Amino acid sequence: AQSVTQPDIHITVSEGASLELRCNYSYGATPYLFWYVQSPGQGLQLLLKYFSGDTLVQGIKGFEAEFKRSQSSFNLRKPSVHWSDAAEYFCAVGYNTDKLIFGTGTRLQVFP
Amino acid sequence: DGGITQSPKYLFRKEGQNVTLSCEQNLNHDAMYWYRQDPGQGLRLIYYSQIVNDFQKGDIAEGYSVSREKKESFPLTVTSAQKNPTAFYLCASSIEPRDQPQHFGDGTRLSIL
Repeated sequence: AQSVTQPDIHITVSEGASLELRCNYSYGATPYLFWYVQSPGQGLQLLLKYFSGDTLVQGIKGFEAEFKRSQSSFNLRKPSVHWSDAAEYFCAVGYNTDKLIFGTGTRLQVFP
Repeated sequence: DGGITQSPKYLFRKEGQNVTLSCEQNLNHDAMYWYRQDPGQGLRLIYYSQIVNDFQKGDIAEGYSVSREKKESFPLTVTSAQKNPTAFYLCASSIEPRDQPQHFGDGTRLSIL
């Protein structure tokens, strides 16, 4: 079955440090890939998406992600984290079906 | 501004009761979705609808029901058959099915009294 893995349940970084959140998907045709962010008690907001083309995609809030076909990965990065980035981050994958598959999320804590 | 409105934000249910969660969108999107979110489990799809008067079961449809009588509305009923309904429920929509980015409402938290 198709699946999405976010191996890090919880990550803590200092404000100003760089960030990388990992996402791996199960083998198959190149999927559509998304990263969402969720603040406590809120819905999900789309950060960025990859459908095709340039494998490095830019999103909102200074985030970027790189699609690596050979590693079946779509890791999210930010060069300098701000305290307001503390939230939960979800990777999602679509395989040209009517549904998206979501990872279990990574909770980001930012220390001053 | 267009968006998705979920109401109420908090909902309490007594044992044996059915409750209905509202989801309305003014984005003119064809597809709508209901997800359940539990800590550490990510989002699980309950039901989705590609078009008015049509809907399909997701991965965890047991104990839930939906209707799609209007394009902008996709209410979810949590029936008494759902034995563990306490969760955060999220409604989403997309322009069309097939992996378009989904837009989310702010959720409804359902608790059992």
